[in-house]
Amino acid sequence: DTAVSQTPKYLVTQMGNDKSIKCEQNLGHDTMYWYKQDSKKFLKIMFSYNNKELIINETVPNRFSPKSPDKAHLNLHINSLELGDSAVYFCASSQGDSQETQYFGPGTRLLVL
Amino acid sequence: DQQVKQNSPSLSVQEGRISILNCDYTNSMFDYFLWYKKYPAEGPTFLISISSIKDKNEDGRFTVFLNKSAKHLSLHIVPSQPGDSAVYFCAASSGGANNLFFGTGTRLTVIP
Repeated sequence: DTAVSQTPKYLVTQMGNDKSIKCEQNLGHDTMYWYKQDSKKFLKIMFSYNNKELIINETVPNRFSPKSPDKAHLNLHINSLELGDSAVYFCASSQGDSQETQYFGPGTRLLVL
Repeated sequence: DQQVKQNSPSLSVQEGRISILNCDYTNSMFDYFLWYKKYPAEGPTFLISISSIKDKNEDGRFTVFLNKSAKHLSLHIVPSQPGDSAVYFCAASSGGANNLFFGTGTRLTVIP
């Protein structure tokens, strides 16, 4: 039974489009995250979110927005996609504080043409 | 500015020998360090961690060493097995923050 799942696995789209990536965790965790792994394989935090606060990495463009319909889901919406958004996006979850292991989803490979 | 660095993009080791993966960091506020393992087309999976109050943590074949003065940590795998072939990411966090800062990974290949 998958702990952290993401859909879709692959996403190919045109520049300027708006797209969403969904993430669900069945671990009962209260904090979820989005990471971007760029072409240089650098995994960088984009957002962390629990039911109290959203922490945004200041380098993330405001075209990216996380939406959490409930504690088990944190979806990533991207508006006006750009070529540089092409990357693998990983969702993760943890029980809360920095000492807890984060569990990652399988990743969504986004290609913007 | 990359606060966690893995300077070796790849490493090849014979089966049965020791694999040593290295990681350096620049932020002296980091107090918790983790190693993740990643197979192709999968997300990173947690392997082992160490708090800054320790200098060594061992779990089976995996041992992580922390040298705070040098801002360096290493992961030792002994004996190495072909199933250990993967990309290994070093990560760090600082007190109270949820964010993990990752290195760029080292691809380990264990040759049978």
